[in-house]
Amino acid sequence: DTEVTQTPKHLVMGMTNKKSLKCEQHMGHRAMYWYKQKAKKPPELMFVYSYEKLSINESVPSRFSPECPNSSLLNLHLHALQPEDSALYLCASSQERTSGSLLVFGPGTRLTVL
Amino acid sequence: GENVEQHPSTLSVQEGDSAVIKCTYSDSASNYFPWYKQELGKGPQLIIDIRSNVGEKKDQRIAVTLNKTAKHFSLHITETQPEDSAVYFCAASNANSGGGADGLTFGKGTHLIIQP
Repeated sequence: DTEVTQTPKHLVMGMTNKKSLKCEQHMGHRAMYWYKQKAKKPPELMFVYSYEKLSINESVPSRFSPECPNSSLLNLHLHALQPEDSALYLCASSQERTSGSLLVFGPGTRLTVL
Repeated sequence: GENVEQHPSTLSVQEGDSAVIKCTYSDSASNYFPWYKQELGKGPQLIIDIRSNVGEKKDQRIAVTLNKTAKHFSLHITETQPEDSAVYFCAASNANSGGGADGLTFGKGTHLIIQP
């Protein structure tokens, strides 16, 4: 298995909803990442987990809450989002949290906040 | 911090012709340079990368060149095909900085259009 999977593919939610994005990899990677990507822009780093511990939070608003239940799973819990949070949310993983490690991206979840 | 400039933002070429996308970086300590291809509705996919101890790397129709002195690197695609149409991102990082794979700084992307 050489891929990162994400569910759901698409999500539409209201500003008062609570939802979760899920990411899974079975490559034995010990670093996992959440990125946000707006249309026609490069991915922007949100969170980094290394060995299931949060290593980096790039000043992301608290309405985004990451969780790493085990080395294969990564969740992003969403609550009270704003319309400007609509974007493609990408999960990625790498063997280790070291520069030069191959970064493997999932297909993303297209999020629309109404 | 690192700054990566990518040009052009849009590139249209005839099928079968070559395409070249250029990136410059600001941090002379950067030593890892991957290129990602993102097709519509998909996540970015690594297509080729180069480290600072080599000047050129090829993989079939794709090649990357690196000029450390000038701090620029380029992606070359030969004999372009319709399936090459996508957005391409360059990136740079310093493998010795102690940072992680998350230490990538991306360029703004190039939308490559292959005209039939």
